[in-house]
Amino acid sequence: GAGVSQTPSNKVTEKGKYVELRCDPISGHTALYWYRQSLGQGPEFLIYFQGTGAADDSGLPNDRFFAVRPEGSVSTLKIQRTERGDSAVYLCASSPRGGALNTEAFFGQGTRLTVV
Amino acid sequence: AQSVTQPDIHITVSEGASLELRCNYSYGATPYLFWYVQSPGQGLQLLLKYFSGDTLVQGIKGFEAEFKRSQSSFNLRKPSVHWSDAAEYFCAVMFSGGYNKLIFGAGTRLAVHP
Repeated sequence: GAGVSQTPSNKVTEKGKYVELRCDPISGHTALYWYRQSLGQGPEFLIYFQGTGAADDSGLPNDRFFAVRPEGSVSTLKIQRTERGDSAVYLCASSPRGGALNTEAFFGQGTRLTVV
Repeated sequence: AQSVTQPDIHITVSEGASLELRCNYSYGATPYLFWYVQSPGQGLQLLLKYFSGDTLVQGIKGFEAEFKRSQSSFNLRKPSVHWSDAAEYFCAVMFSGGYNKLIFGAGTRLAVHP
């Protein structure tokens, strides 16, 4: 597609439920990033994929959070046993290759997750 | 720890006035520096970036930023603000060895008065 696509755009879930957030990166981009943006804050890094593998998952807050990218394209962020504190906008970004200095990361519009 | 500080949470300027948004970082070496803009309903858009070389960087929409090593700063400027510039602005850094992720400041919300 023309840009990074994230679905759904909005998700309301009950505390304790499981949710999946999807990211379709720009075609051909090998690097994919997930960030979380809480109200009034800047985005915080969660995880980085280079191809199919998670090269850096140091930002995942705990083991309730998990992400996959099985074919090196679409990625899914999975949150188990959601808590109200998980409410935030989850942003996905992709770039032609990670780690190169002259590449720009393109961001999607995000999924707004609300846990009630 | 590596960090980015945007001291101004909210700034209001009149249309046509000049603008400067502040950004400071904490790191022992020179990071790679970015400014992004986020408008309501829009994704983050890159305005400009600094990797090396000339410390005055030109970006899109008439913005520029200057890297000052001695002050650990990377302030964003625009000589004449337009009403359409109202948005949230984020400074971000990428540290050498951490090529895979950006560390963002908390953002500065810009309001523009007619």
